[in-house]
Amino acid sequence: EAGVTQFPSHSVIEKGQTVTLRCDPISGHDNLYWYRRVMGKEIKFLLHFVKESKQDESGMPNNRFLAERTGGTYSTLKVQPAELEDSGVYFCASSPLQSGADTQYFGPGTRLTVL
Amino acid sequence: GQQLNQSPQSMFIQEGEDVSMNCTSSSIFNTWLWYKQDPGEGPVLLIALYKAGELTSNGRLTAQFGITRKDSFLNISASIPSDVGIYFCAGQLEWTNFGNEKLTFGTGTRLTIIP
Repeated sequence: EAGVTQFPSHSVIEKGQTVTLRCDPISGHDNLYWYRRVMGKEIKFLLHFVKESKQDESGMPNNRFLAERTGGTYSTLKVQPAELEDSGVYFCASSPLQSGADTQYFGPGTRLTVL
Repeated sequence: GQQLNQSPQSMFIQEGEDVSMNCTSSSIFNTWLWYKQDPGEGPVLLIALYKAGELTSNGRLTAQFGITRKDSFLNISASIPSDVGIYFCAGQLEWTNFGNEKLTFGTGTRLTIIP
C-alpha cells in the first residue's frame, strides 16, 4: 500500500511569488492534516480536513495560506504571496476516521525556501 | 496554545551508549507519542502511550507516560549508527467524534553518533 505522498519535494521561490503544495493521502484515509516545521523549531499544526471539510484550521498563520481538499481525496496548500518567514518543511499526514493517534502517517514533506 | 518543551536539543554520543530525552508540558495530554525523522523523510512513529504511568518498550526503545500526564521520556539503549536522526515527542489532547485531533510536537532532539 502506498504511503502519503507529497509534491514537490523541494521548492525555491522568490518573495512575492505563489507556490502550491500537494498531498496525496493514503487511500481511504478521511483525515488529512497539514503541519509545518520552521528551521530548528517544533513541527506545528496548520489544519485538519475530514473528507472535504475543514475540521480545524486554527493553525493557519494568515490569509496568505489557502488549503483545499475538493472531493475529499488529495489536498493542496497554496501560499500567495510567499514571504521569507514561510520557509520551512511542510508535512502532510493522514489517518482513517475514528482511529487512534498512532494512525497518523506522515509524508516525506515539501521543503519550501523563499528567497 | 499548548507547548511541549523537549530536551536536550542535541546529543553527541558514542556507539553503544544509552540515550535519554524527555518532554514536559504545562498542560495535560491524553496520548503521548515519540517519532523519529530521518533526513528527507517524514516523522515515523516509534512508540505511542495511552495511559498515565504506562511504560512501553519497542526493542531497544523504552518510553513512559508521566503520572501527571504532563511529561514523557524516551530511552534508547546501546545506541547503533542507524539511531542517528531527529526525535520528536508529540501529545494529543482528545479524540473528537470525527477522528483524531491535531498533534502538538516538541522542538526535537538531534542525535549524532561520534565515531
